[in-house]
Amino acid sequence: EAGVTQSPTHLIKTRGQQATLRCSPISGHTSVYWYQQALGLGLQFLLWYDEGEERNRGNFPPRFSGRQFPNYSSELNVNALELEDSALYLCASSWRGYTEAFFGQGTRLTVV
Amino acid sequence: AQSVTQPDIHITVSEGASLELRCNYSYGATPYLFWYVQSPGQGLQLLLKYFSGDTLVQGIKGFEAEFKRSQSSFNLRKPSVHWSDAAEYFCAVGDGNQFYFGTGTSLTVIP
Repeated sequence: EAGVTQSPTHLIKTRGQQATLRCSPISGHTSVYWYQQALGLGLQFLLWYDEGEERNRGNFPPRFSGRQFPNYSSELNVNALELEDSALYLCASSWRGYTEAFFGQGTRLTVV
Repeated sequence: AQSVTQPDIHITVSEGASLELRCNYSYGATPYLFWYVQSPGQGLQLLLKYFSGDTLVQGIKGFEAEFKRSQSSFNLRKPSVHWSDAAEYFCAVGDGNQFYFGTGTSLTVIP
């Protein structure tokens, strides 16, 4: 069974550009969670999607947004990139939060 | 509100020594509890989980954790550490909807 997959693995963008990160959850999982992990910092909660709806978001500006598709895959969009957006972005999936969260390998976003 | 505290930012142990990583949580009901491990630049791998039942849970790689309701703790233990255990360890609480992570404990293993 395939795990959580994220693409791309690495992404280099210029300040001011937009970045799109993608996540495919484990089959049958309806919830997708996004986290930002900047260098030396823990996991900062970004967004939670379940059944196609945004259920909660963390303390991030509106230029961080996303959506969940009918097949439960998800994308994270970061607009107007800033240097401090450089981080490892992790996606996790769960069955409605009733099981453990399974993580992908992350997308390393570098803003130059 | 739910929260997780990992008091130790960094721990150094000798290879072969025992290990205990501390985790305290704040949650009104019986939580779902987890320990994850992260190697540099990688995603998080589940070590073990507690949902209910026996308060001593066994995980992968020889790790175990004990849920102590009276102390709101879920400490991770390993009797003999291997050099490959060097990584970042995260404790997490689930409430059936979201997951709340501690700030992590970095483990260094010296020969």
